[in-house]
Amino acid sequence: DTGVSQDPRHKITKRGQNVTFRCDPISEHNRLYWYRQTLGQGPEFLTYFQNEAQLEKSRLLSDRFSAERPKGSFSTLEIQRTEQGDSAMYLCASSLGLAASEQYFGPGTRLTVT
Amino acid sequence: GQQVMQIPQYQHVQEGEDFTTYCNSSTTLSNIQWYKQRPGGHPVFLIQLVKSGEVKKQKRLTFQFGEAKKNSSLHITATQTTDVGTYFCAGPLSREGTYKYIFGTGTRLKVLA
Repeated sequence: DTGVSQDPRHKITKRGQNVTFRCDPISEHNRLYWYRQTLGQGPEFLTYFQNEAQLEKSRLLSDRFSAERPKGSFSTLEIQRTEQGDSAMYLCASSLGLAASEQYFGPGTRLTVT
Repeated sequence: GQQVMQIPQYQHVQEGEDFTTYCNSSTTLSNIQWYKQRPGGHPVFLIQLVKSGEVKKQKRLTFQFGEAKKNSSLHITATQTTDVGTYFCAGPLSREGTYKYIFGTGTRLKVLA
């Protein structure tokens, strides 16, 4: 399978716990995005990387959210001290090139905070 | 901040009828992308438009980018049940050198057989 993969697919956690999600982009894709999507809404931008450099981070993100892409390949998104409002689908997407190009989305990680 | 709005929010059509969704940005866009998300699925890229007034066709789907590059539309001719899903437009933040995309609010299409 050469698509974008995400792990885990589902995560249930208690409020206050930390969670970490992983995204493996399509090989050779230099750009990687993280989005959050709630029911009935469009994907909401969280952050994106060009290779290993984090170029943009949404102001909507509090300091509880952090993302890394240490070697320009896979990426992790960590949420510290989870809150019920963090419950959502977390989508990863990757794209190739320096200019605007299509984004390939992974299946997402569904987070439920109880 | 920059906003991307879509209308209508929902559309129910009989199979065989046409469907159109409209996308409007508060700022000029350098390009616009369209995605389709099936129920329970993830967004799948449909097309990217770059030029002012550009029109592209994919079988029964016709995409248009406005002359002012602030609006776009997707038209489906003779809908089929396989067209069911939510259609999103997405445009980059209006700042040179960034590829941060803002997604529209989406139009959910239901096709009645």
